[in-house]
This record gives sequence, C-alpha cells and structure tokens, in this order.
Amino acid sequence: DAKTTQPPSMDCAEGRAANLPCNHSTISGNEYVYWYRQIHSQGPQYIIHGLKNNETNEMASLIITEDRKSSTLILPHATLRDTAVYYCIVVSGGSQGNLIFGKGTKLSVKP
Amino acid sequence: NAGVTQTPKFQVLKTGQSMTLQCAQDMNHNSMYWYRQDPGMGLRLIYYSASEGTTDKGEVPNGYNVSRLNKREFSLRLESAAPSQTSVYFCASSWAPDWSNQPQHFGDGTRLSIL
Repeated sequence: DAKTTQPPSMDCAEGRAANLPCNHSTISGNEYVYWYRQIHSQGPQYIIHGLKNNETNEMASLIITEDRKSSTLILPHATLRDTAVYYCIVVSGGSQGNLIFGKGTKLSVKP
Repeated sequence: NAGVTQTPKFQVLKTGQSMTLQCAQDMNHNSMYWYRQDPGMGLRLIYYSASEGTTDKGEVPNGYNVSRLNKREFSLRLESAAPSQTSVYFCASSWAPDWSNQPQHFGDGTRLSIL
C-alpha cells in the first residue's frame, strides 16, 4: 500500500472551512484514498473515501488531484467537535482487512 | 443507531488471567475485525472474519483466539494475558473484507491493562 504524508498539526477557526492535505505520490491505479478521524479516547470514525473522482457526503468533501498523487479533505464549517486526529490512508481495493494508520494530522478547531 | 458495540470498555487483568472481549454490530455487515492500537504503532490487525463461519489471522495473532459466534458477534479471547498485550482493542465491521468501496466502521474500544 502507498505511503501517505500529512502535516502533523493544523489550526482552524470555528465556522471556517478546514482543508487537510495528504500526499500519496506512489499511489497505484487500484488504490483508494480513505479518511478517518479519531477523537481522543474514541474509536476511528469513517469520514469519506474515493478512487479517482471528487466525493462529497454529509460530513466532508474529498478532492483528489487529476494525477491522484495528492488529496484534500474539506470540512466545510468546522466546529469544536471536529477537533481530532485525521488520518489519510491509501489502500488497495483488492486487499483484505489490514488498515495501516500513519501519524495523521492533529486538527485543532478554535473558537 | 448503535453501530459497533464493544464490552467491556475498561479492564485490568493480572498476568496469566484469561478474558474475552465482546463485539456486536447491528449493521448486518458480513465482515468483522479485531485491531489493537498502541502508541506510535497505529492500528494493527489481529484477526478478521470475512464472513460468518470463517476467521483468518492478521498481522499480530499470537496470544489471541477469536470466535465468530454469528453474523452479529465476533469475540476476541486472551487465554493467558501478558503485559505486552496491554493496549486499546478495537472491533470493526464492513460489508466485505476488501477495500473496494467498503469502509470499516469501528467501535469505541476496550482499554485493557495487564499487570
């Protein structure tokens, strides 16, 4: 599975959009980009995933560059409850089970 | 909407004791997983069950056993607990065992300390 690179931390003002970048320059054609977050002492929470196209759901939007070497998770209106560690994961569509979390980005939403 | 429920939430054991961690999901998912999360190590897969009646080893299966009791329930057993098994254990479930449009959904974990 391709390795990902994320900034260790970011700040965002409450009510503003939070844009979390992820580099995955070695991604291959059948690998998906998944985003999870983990709020302190809770289990990982699924946010969104994509293969080639941009995706949007009720929680966030995922923008994947045309060459697929990087992506951005967008939380349109960040709230204090969005403070968490966000993990960008690249995983082969055909692989089973294993989910390798890197160090992620600690997002702090401030009032 | 419970999702994935894990019990207990906290447990302290003495070395050599045994215990079973319980997991149940109400999403009618076919596949279930057990992970452990240690500081600086991320999530590591212990065992998974691709479908009811099947189980397979993950990255770190030694010292653990699992049982897929039915479609909803997947338990993890420590037969003789060791301090190295002190960790946070997460159960997860998904529709299928591969990652093609199949996100895994996690419980809130069991925090296990072994003295």
